[in-house]
Amino acid sequence: AQSVTQLDSQVPVFEEAPVELRCNYSSSVSVYLFWYVQYPNQGLQLLLKYLSGSTLVESINGFEAEFNKSQTSFHLRKPSVHISDTAEYFCAVSDYGNQFYFGTGTSLTVIP
Amino acid sequence: DGGITQSPKYLFRKEGQNVTLSCEQNLNHDAMYWYRQDPGQGLRLIYYSQIVNDFQKGDIAEGYSVSREKKESFPLTVTSAQKNPTAFYLCASSSRTAMNTEAFFGQGTRLTVV
Repeated sequence: AQSVTQLDSQVPVFEEAPVELRCNYSSSVSVYLFWYVQYPNQGLQLLLKYLSGSTLVESINGFEAEFNKSQTSFHLRKPSVHISDTAEYFCAVSDYGNQFYFGTGTSLTVIP
Repeated sequence: DGGITQSPKYLFRKEGQNVTLSCEQNLNHDAMYWYRQDPGQGLRLIYYSQIVNDFQKGDIAEGYSVSREKKESFPLTVTSAQKNPTAFYLCASSSRTAMNTEAFFGQGTRLTVV
């Protein structure tokens, strides 16, 4: 079975500062990797995903994540955060779409 | 527009009553999932279905039941056997095609049992 660990439950950061949200996973098979964002009382929205190919993937709003197979990590980064980035972020893995396994989430708070 | 619709958004029930949460998708996805979300615990899988008329228990299936009579619909019933049903419930679906493997989520139903 797969598992996902998000070590940081809460990350406060000042506006325009860089941020990294950490995600590690364990799996005995190859997986797909995802980052989702959740705003209060809403569902999850896909932020970015890694399926294959380039290990660095980017989202349309400036986030990026790098797949590191040797460290089994998929950390999410943004060089300069905005107030609107305040949300809950979930890392997830999927064994080729059969099931999805989610981390416990990281609450990002951007401080003005 | 294609997507997943969960209804209602907010639901209040008295303790001991069964309640059914609706989930409908028009994405033509084969797989559908129900998750429960509690503060600090992330998403926990209740049930999932990979095909019509078939479903499997997830990690926390006790006190819940589902059906998958149609591809588009995957309703979840929270029974009186569920000890702590107050939570945020999320439905999701996914396709298993090569380039479309992410899960798509509904807007959730917040169930409060009083």
